[in-house]
Amino acid sequence: AQSVSQHNHHVILSEAASLELGCNYSYGGTVNLFWYVQYPGQHLQLLLKYFSGDPLVKGIKGFEAEFIKSKFSFNLRKPSVQWSDTAEYFCAVNADDYKLSFGAGTTVTVRA
Amino acid sequence: DSGVTQTPKHLITATGQRVTLRCSPRSGDLSVYWYQQSLDQGLQFLIQYYNGEERAKGNILERFSAQQFPDLHSELNLSSLELGDSALYFCASSVAGGSDEQFFGPGTRLTVL
Repeated sequence: AQSVSQHNHHVILSEAASLELGCNYSYGGTVNLFWYVQYPGQHLQLLLKYFSGDPLVKGIKGFEAEFIKSKFSFNLRKPSVQWSDTAEYFCAVNADDYKLSFGAGTTVTVRA
Repeated sequence: DSGVTQTPKHLITATGQRVTLRCSPRSGDLSVYWYQQSLDQGLQFLIQYYNGEERAKGNILERFSAQQFPDLHSELNLSSLELGDSALYFCASSVAGGSDEQFFGPGTRLTVL
């Protein structure tokens, strides 16, 4: 079964700073990769996903992620964060057993 | 709004009791997934149903059961509740399964006293 690890538990940064959240998975086969965001008091929303093709994926709200197969990584980036990006971010992996495995999540706090 | 609805929003009950959480998927989605989110365990996949049949099982306790009805709504039944069952329970739906994007509902917050 696949597992997902997110390196940062809590990230605090100032507005306009750049953000990078690490995600690594353990599974040797074909995977589908996702980043979800959970704003305070809200449900999970999909930020972006990777199934195949260009390993650099662009999502909503200026986020992007890069799939590096050799490193089993799918890191999330945003060049310039805003206060409204304060949320919890989850990396998720879906392999051939259909279930979605989530990382532990990274809480991002953006200070105005 | 994802189109996935869950009721109730909040549920407070006592240990040993049984509760039922309800989920209505997005129109047209055949798959329903249940997840449990707690502080110590994070977001854990419990079970998936596709068009009325169980498709995949995750870390679901024997005290928990689920079903998907002909109208595709799903119910998660939690029995002999323990303090540790207090968590946020999310339902998600997708068109079919596999790599399809999952759309999450707002969750039901269960508090066991």
